[in-house]
Amino acid sequence: DADVTQTPRNRITKTGKRIMLECSQTKGHDRMYWYRQDPGLGLRLIYYSFDVKDINKGEISDGYSVSRQAQAKFSLSLESAIPNQTALYFCATSPSTGGNTGELFFGEGSRLTVL
Amino acid sequence: RKEVEQDPGPFNVPEGATVAFNCTYSNSASQSFFWYRQDCRKEPKLLMSVYSSGNEDGRFTAQLNRASQYISLLIRDSKLSDSATYLCVVNIFFGAGTRLTVKP
Repeated sequence: DADVTQTPRNRITKTGKRIMLECSQTKGHDRMYWYRQDPGLGLRLIYYSFDVKDINKGEISDGYSVSRQAQAKFSLSLESAIPNQTALYFCATSPSTGGNTGELFFGEGSRLTVL
Repeated sequence: RKEVEQDPGPFNVPEGATVAFNCTYSNSASQSFFWYRQDCRKEPKLLMSVYSSGNEDGRFTAQLNRASQYISLLIRDSKLSDSATYLCVVNIFFGAGTRLTVKP
């Protein structure tokens, strides 16, 4: 079984619908992240959480919200999806390493299409 | 201004070539530096960390220049299997990625 699991893996939805992408991990890491990837733009950070009570905005948080339900779970929501949120979304985890960032471990990605 | 700037390429090189990728970063207080490899829209995977003194792993050499705020990755004797997108990461921020194609 994958250490970082994302659901759904693929989703097609319509403009205005609420969408939730879920991420769960069995690595025991405190830190979790949501990124989106668009062609030519690399991975852009949406939100991140360094522990259960910590939520931080990333580079492109507008139009998104997150919930850290437990150490192992970090969900990303699109309250009202729009076509330019069509992208490949990655969840990642990393261990706590003091002031430094450890290796990021990724899920397999969730491909979202908003029509 | 983006946290991490990376030339998107693409780079098309013959087998056996040496190729170099560079990234610049904006936060001088950054502490963690990495290179990731991504194959065909799969999840990125760590290629190597970048240490202040520079480090090497087989055909791959990574360097950090704190004064100029850039990191580099050198691939020697390129193989067909090196074809992928290479992403630099500073702390938790990614560059745009550079697509490498190694041709026979």
